[in-house]
Amino acid sequence: KAGVTQTPRYLIKTRGQQVTLSCSPISGHRSVSWYQQTPGQGLQFLFEYFSETQRNKGNFPGRFSGRQFSNSRSEMNVSTLELGDSALYLCASSFVPHFDEQYFGPGTRLTVT
Amino acid sequence: SQQGEEDPQALSIQEGENATMNCSYKTSINNLQWYRQNSGRGLVHLILIRSNEREKHSGRLRVTLDTSKKSSSLLITASRAADTASYFCATAGVQGAQKLVFGQGTRLTINP
Repeated sequence: KAGVTQTPRYLIKTRGQQVTLSCSPISGHRSVSWYQQTPGQGLQFLFEYFSETQRNKGNFPGRFSGRQFSNSRSEMNVSTLELGDSALYLCASSFVPHFDEQYFGPGTRLTVT
Repeated sequence: SQQGEEDPQALSIQEGENATMNCSYKTSINNLQWYRQNSGRGLVHLILIRSNEREKHSGRLRVTLDTSKKSSSLLITASRAADTASYFCATAGVQGAQKLVFGQGTRLTINP
């Protein structure tokens, strides 16, 4: 089985721009979660989708949004980028949204200049 | 704020020695999970222990859970250079709070 894939792997953007990150879960997995990892704040939960519905959201501003498609693929969008948005964005999938074992992708490294 | 607090923040040992990492959390949990991360890559799930379990083994890994003290420990026996990584505990809350909350992690270095 192919693992969780994330694209792009690396991204450099300028303050004020917006960015869209993509995540393809493991085949058969219907739950996708997103996390932000920074040296200062560690791993923080962004949101979780199951069957195209956002089930849970972390404590992030409205500039962070996401969606899930009928094939379970997910995208997250960050608008009006700030320097502090520079981070590793990780996507994880699981079969059901009961937070059992999560399978993580390699992440997208976003740098905002 | 992070649910889990890990201790120590960094640990350096010789190959072949055992490594113990601790995790404390604040609220009731459904389960607690341990993950490994190599150098800025994705996380790899190591082991999951449910709130009604006290100990679990997987290969060279041993995890304990003490819900009365709201703490868990991860023991890696007979460490290898390939075990060098950051280790994170993550807690899954009870129903209605379905998200994983990660600790800050322990950076483990295995010296040859």
